[in-house]
Amino acid sequence: GAGVSQSPSNKVTEKGKDVELRCDPISGHTALYWYRQSLGQGLEFLIYFQGNSAPDKSGLPSDRFSAERTGGSVSTLTIQRTQQEDSAVYLCASSLGTVGYEQYFGPGTRLTVT
Amino acid sequence: QKEVEQNSGPLSVPEGAIASLNCTYSDRGSQSFFWYRQYSGKSPELIMSIYSNGDKEDGRFTAQLNKASQYVSLLIRDSQPSDSATYLCAVISLRGGYNKLIFGAGTRLAVHP
Repeated sequence: GAGVSQSPSNKVTEKGKDVELRCDPISGHTALYWYRQSLGQGLEFLIYFQGNSAPDKSGLPSDRFSAERTGGSVSTLTIQRTQQEDSAVYLCASSLGTVGYEQYFGPGTRLTVT
Repeated sequence: QKEVEQNSGPLSVPEGAIASLNCTYSDRGSQSFFWYRQYSGKSPELIMSIYSNGDKEDGRFTAQLNKASQYVSLLIRDSQPSDSATYLCAVISLRGGYNKLIFGAGTRLAVHP
């Protein structure tokens, strides 16, 4: 596909369970970003990758959140011991590079913690 | 003060009119500016990017940037009902490390027939 893909599109989980969200960026894009959008709220930066390294993790809300990227391509965002406040749409974006490049978003994963 | 501010709206315009969406930002070190459109229940879609002072036109859309006044705007000419969406202003700034997008809360646009 030509665009950013994310899976699953929807995830319902019980409080306390771990979840993994996947992002597959546009082919050739070296930078990958995770954002979160809570109901009625704006977009909040979580973490970004340049290649496989994560120079900026400043947006991760707590140590329950982690992310990795392997092979300079697919990324996984993991949330451990989920809480109800983690319920949101998790959006992934990719760009050709950092420092001002246009970012293109995937369709998002809607996470609901019950 | 929020880093990126937008009027939440809704901005209501009749079909065929010009819709004007405004955004101000606080960090003078901001370098790159973007407008995204987000339909309800969908992810943001990039409409325009602008990096230099002045106007940039793409079809019915014109982005305007004034770094001295720290504002960026989006004009939509010949507005259509299909333009009804939330428009997000996003900035890449020095304070943000020149990588992450910092978003405004968005302006909801409603184009009525």
